[in-house]
Amino acid sequence: DQQVKQNSPSLSVQEGRISILNCDYTNSMFDYFLWYKKYPAEGPTFLISISSIKDKNEDGRFTVFLNKSAKHLSLHIVPSQPGDSAVYFCAASSGTYKYIFGTGTRLKVLA
Amino acid sequence: GAGVSQSPSNKVTEKGKDVELRCDPISGHTALYWYRQSLGQGLEFLIYFQGNSAPDKSGLPSDRFSAERTGGSVSTLTIQRTQQEDSAVYLCASSPDRQNEKLFFGSGTQLSVL
Repeated sequence: DQQVKQNSPSLSVQEGRISILNCDYTNSMFDYFLWYKKYPAEGPTFLISISSIKDKNEDGRFTVFLNKSAKHLSLHIVPSQPGDSAVYFCAASSGTYKYIFGTGTRLKVLA
Repeated sequence: GAGVSQSPSNKVTEKGKDVELRCDPISGHTALYWYRQSLGQGLEFLIYFQGNSAPDKSGLPSDRFSAERTGGSVSTLTIQRTQQEDSAVYLCASSPDRQNEKLFFGSGTQLSVL
């Protein structure tokens, strides 16, 4: 039972263009969402988060959108840079400590 | 140290042997997590420690897996009688004692069971 799904295992984007990574969830009790980035042989690093009381959160080139009715969130990276090439994980929690992670999307930004 | 430290970074073992993986969390972080990532899979929750409370072991896949946290700091994840399906990256994370706090991950231990 995958409560957090990232249906695109990989994505390729040209440098300078927008990258859109998607995440769907099934548990309507989830109220806090995070995105992590992971480079090979490193641990995941926190990127951006959003609470369910908001529908958008922005931090520099990164924006997360939350659509609660659709149980969908997306991460936008504009403009995309080659250094953004990594695996991106979304995670969700329901006001507790237990974060449920998706399977990840591998982003490749082409120079 | 400045970040979460895990050791060893790589471990190769034979099927049936026991292994111990170590995690040193960020100083002052009272919450500690173990996750694992199998090939092509997401991060799978294993166990959670919070202060002196009883740990949440609900994610441990079998009774061959156990973990302890001594003195509210260093944690050890032990896998007994390892199987090939235990091969994965084992990640430790810590966070402050607050709800909706982001997790800080270590670099992980790549475990390979031959």
